[in-house]
Parts: sequence; structure tokens; C-alpha cells
Amino acid sequence: KQEVTQIPAALSVPEGENLVLNCSFTDSAIYNLQWFRQDPGKGLTSLLLIQSSQREQTSGRLNASLDKSSGRSTLYIAASQPGDSATYLCAVLGGDAGGTSYGKLTFGQGTILTVHP
Amino acid sequence: EAQVTQNPRYLITVTGKKLTVTCSQNMNHEYMSWYRQDPGLGLRQIYYSMNVEVTDKGDVPEGYKVSRKEKRNFPLILESPSPNQTSLYFCASSRHPPGQEDMGSNQPQHFGDGTRLSIL
Repeated sequence: KQEVTQIPAALSVPEGENLVLNCSFTDSAIYNLQWFRQDPGKGLTSLLLIQSSQREQTSGRLNASLDKSSGRSTLYIAASQPGDSATYLCAVLGGDAGGTSYGKLTFGQGTILTVHP
Repeated sequence: EAQVTQNPRYLITVTGKKLTVTCSQNMNHEYMSWYRQDPGLGLRQIYYSMNVEVTDKGDVPEGYKVSRKEKRNFPLILESPSPNQTSLYFCASSRHPPGQEDMGSNQPQHFGDGTRLSIL
């Protein structure tokens, strides 16, 4: 059974810092990995999706990397801002060597990020 | 506006009283899914649907039912709710099941704003 772990559970940084959030998963047979942002009282917003054949994806100040063989992904946030404060979740989609897409997503428990001015 | 709409947003009810949480999307998405979010356990998938009349169990399907009679709606049914089903529920949809390529672009999942259920 797939298990996803995120470290750290919480992070508080001053504005302007570059930071790294970590995600690890136990079963490397994944189809893709997604990073989401969740604001209090809201649903999830997809930030980045990395296919299993890819190594990284970038969107603005965000960069996500994937090392499928070691079961790890990192989300790098450059020049953090107070508006980045939220819970960040990673999720993996189960797959197989044939690349068939399954619909089952497994989430980590999230990293609560606080960026203070 | 593209959106996933859940109703109700909040509900307090009693054990054993059947309830349905509706989910509707206006994007003609094939894939829809239900999750519950609990402190310390994170988000866990309950059921998902690849398309109309195609549903499958996620990680925690016990005590829940779903149906997908039409593409836009994916209701979550609790036939006999119990206190351990008190949780925050999210519905999500995407054009295709997560991971399928579409013109080389990634397929983001769109989430509803959540339904907070309290079962006494």
C-alpha cells in the first residue's frame, strides 16, 4: 500500500527566504506526482504535476523535482511571500510499468507554511 | 465560470439518518472523485469515477456509496451515517483521469470548497 510522507509538518520563515518542502513515497510505481496548495476553509489548488517520466516542473517561483527511483520529490519556493502561507500537499497517482492510468490518489499529510513579513 | 460545486457546505445530523452530499461540475470532466480530510490522517480517497457509470473504490470506501448516472454529477451517499464519518469532504474533477496526457498538457484537478459533516 502506498504511503506518502511530508517533511517538515510545519515551517515558519521570514519573507524573502528560499525554502524546500519534501515529499517521500514508498511505492515507486507511480504514474505522476502532484503538488497542491490548500488555504484555510478552501479546497485544493493544483500547483504542479510531474509525470513519472519527468524530472522536474517549474511554474513561476515554484520548482518541483521528482526522483522516482528513490521515492522523493521536493517543492522549491523562491523568494517566499506572505501570500504563500498555506498548507502544501503532495499526492501520488498509482500506476504500473505499462503506464496505465489509475484513478487512485494518495496524499501526504501536508506541510503548513507560514511566511511572516 | 468553471467550478465544482458541493452541497451542503455544512451539515449536522444524527446517526443513522441517510444523507447525500451532491457534487456537480460544469466543465464536462470525465473524472470525478471524493475525498475526506481528517486531522492527522490527511486527505484520503473514498471513491472515484473514470466516466459515466464507471466507479471504483478508493482507500476508505466503507460506509459510503456513489453513483455516476450523468457526467456532471457525482453524489456521495451515506446510507447510515456514524460518528466516525464526521469529517471534511472534498469533491474533485478533471477532464481526464489524473495523469492522462491531453495534447501534451497536464490535467489539473479542480476541487470544490468542501462539505463539513458532523454526525452526532
